[in-house]
Formats: sequence, C-alpha cells, structure tokens
Amino acid sequence: KAGVTQTPRYLIKTRGQQVTLSCSPISGHRSVSWYQQTPGQGLQFLFEYFSETQRNKGNFPGRFSGRQFSNSRSEMNVSTLELGDSALYLCASSFGLWRGGNQETQYFGPGTRLLVL
Amino acid sequence: QQQVKQSPQSLIVQKGGISIINCAYENTAFDYFPWYQQFPGKGPALLIAIRPDVSEKKEGRFTISFNKSAKQFSLHIMDSQPGDSATYFCAAIRQTGANNLFFGTGTRLTVIP
Repeated sequence: KAGVTQTPRYLIKTRGQQVTLSCSPISGHRSVSWYQQTPGQGLQFLFEYFSETQRNKGNFPGRFSGRQFSNSRSEMNVSTLELGDSALYLCASSFGLWRGGNQETQYFGPGTRLLVL
Repeated sequence: QQQVKQSPQSLIVQKGGISIINCAYENTAFDYFPWYQQFPGKGPALLIAIRPDVSEKKEGRFTISFNKSAKQFSLHIMDSQPGDSATYFCAAIRQTGANNLFFGTGTRLTVIP
C-alpha cells in the first residue's frame, strides 16, 4: 500500500506570493492533518480535515488555510508569504478522525520544504 | 509560550547504553502523551504513547515513564543501537477543544557504535 505522498517536495517562493501544497493520503484514509516544522518552533499542528470538513485547528493566522476533496486528498494554502513561513510542511493521514490520537494512528508523508525569499 | 518543554536538545550515547529524553508540560488538561521518531528526510512516526492513568508503558526497548504530579514524562531507550539515531519528539494532547496539540522541540539522538 502506498504511503502518504506530498507534492511538490521542494518549493521556492518570494515574500507576498501565495503557495498551494498537496497531500494524497494512504488509500482508504479519510483524515488528513497538516503540520509546520521549523528549527526554531519545532513541530506545530496546523489543522485536520475529515470528510471534507475542518475538524481541528491549531494557532495559526488566517493566511494558512486548507481544504479536503471528496477523494480525501487535501491541499494547504498559504497566502501573502512571509520569510518566517519557510519550513517543512508535513501532512499525515489516518483512517478515522485523529483529533490527537485516541484509537487512530497517523502516518506522515515526507513533507514539502518551502523556502520563502 | 512553550506548552511542552523537551530536554536535552541533543544526546550522544554509546551503543548498548540507555538514552533518556525528558518532557514537561503545564496544562493538566492534556490526556495523551505520544513520542515520535523522525529520521532525516522522513516524516515523524509514532513510537509509543501513554495516557495519564498509567505510570509506565513499555514496548520492546522503548519505555515511557509518566509522573502526573510532577507533570513530566520521559522516554527511555534501552540497549541503544546506532539505528536509533534520529530526532525524537514528545507531544502533549488534549482530546477535546481546539488548538489541542503541542510538540516538544525535539532531541537529536546519536548512538555511537
């Protein structure tokens, strides 16, 4: 079974631009969560989508948004990019609603490394 | 404000030794505490997790010790192997409410042969 795939793997943008990242979950998984990983702040939770609805959200500004399609694929969008948005963006999927663990296990993708110049 | 404080930032251990990584939290509403392992170029993977009604959980060479009164929990890796060299993250999660999930800053473990 294929794992979580993220595209693109690397991306360079300039300040003020916007970017869209894509995540394809493991086949059959209906939950997709997004995380930001930086050397300074570490790993931070962005949001979780399940059945095309945002079910949980971290403490990020509205410039960060996402959506999930009927096939469970998800996209994350960052508008008006700032230098501080440079990070590794990780996507993770689980079969059911994850909400931090409970009975589900999340499987992470390799991430998209975004560099904002 | 860092909801979860993790230490040390880096750790070097001889093969066969015990690796110990510590985390502390403030919010007593957290009710699930997982540890993740991340190899370079890969996403994190769940290693082991514990709930606050249990003081210890062991899975193979990995053990979580949990001290509810001190609001601390730690990961012990027994008989550490070079293949354990990775970055380890702790997390504290509250199963209800929004903005409920916080990670430690990570510990880079190097196991020397």
